[in-house]
Amino acid sequence: EDQVTQSPEALRLQEGESSSLNCSYTVSGLRGLFWYRQDPGKGPEFLFTLYSAGEEKEKERLKATLTKKESFLHITAPKPEDSATYLCAVRRTGFQKLVFGTGTRLLVSP
Amino acid sequence: DVKVTQSSRYLVKRTGEKVFLECVQDMDHENMFWYRQDPGLGLRLIYFSYDVKMKEKGDIPEGYSVSREKKERFSLILESASTNQTSMYLCASSFKGRETQYFGPGTRLLVL
Repeated sequence: EDQVTQSPEALRLQEGESSSLNCSYTVSGLRGLFWYRQDPGKGPEFLFTLYSAGEEKEKERLKATLTKKESFLHITAPKPEDSATYLCAVRRTGFQKLVFGTGTRLLVSP
Repeated sequence: DVKVTQSSRYLVKRTGEKVFLECVQDMDHENMFWYRQDPGLGLRLIYFSYDVKMKEKGDIPEGYSVSREKKERFSLILESASTNQTSMYLCASSFKGRETQYFGPGTRLLVL
């Protein structure tokens, strides 16, 4: 069964304090690993798709990386507006559905 | 920009009522999805549709049905709402053959 585990559940950072969020996964035939950002009371907002080990993608202060077993979302010099829940999901080859982790709640204090 | 809209942001219903949640996307996506999101459980797929009038069960279809009469619109129906269906409901859409799903703003449903 496909599984996604995110850690930590919650993370509190000071503004400017860089850190990483982890997404460990098990899936038979990865067809994509996805990162989303979700603000309270809103729908997830797409950030990145990674397809193969070694791939990296960047957007502003965020950088996503992928290995054969896990993905990291690196946040460099975060700002308070980066506070949100970050969700990771995987898709198996031949299947349409995404399997989501339970997310990491990030709080960045000024 | 992809736009996925949902008919209501908040809904309060009584146990036993029939509830309709509607989702509309404006990007001509073939695939549409309904998820529910609960604390500690993450997002779970209820149903999805890959074409008009086509539907597939997800992981938790019990107590729900769906309708897709037009490509841009996907409806989730709670035939007889129960308190354990209180949740955040999220609609998503994607192009056929493309993996990225785009989500709507969500409907928070409270069943009393």
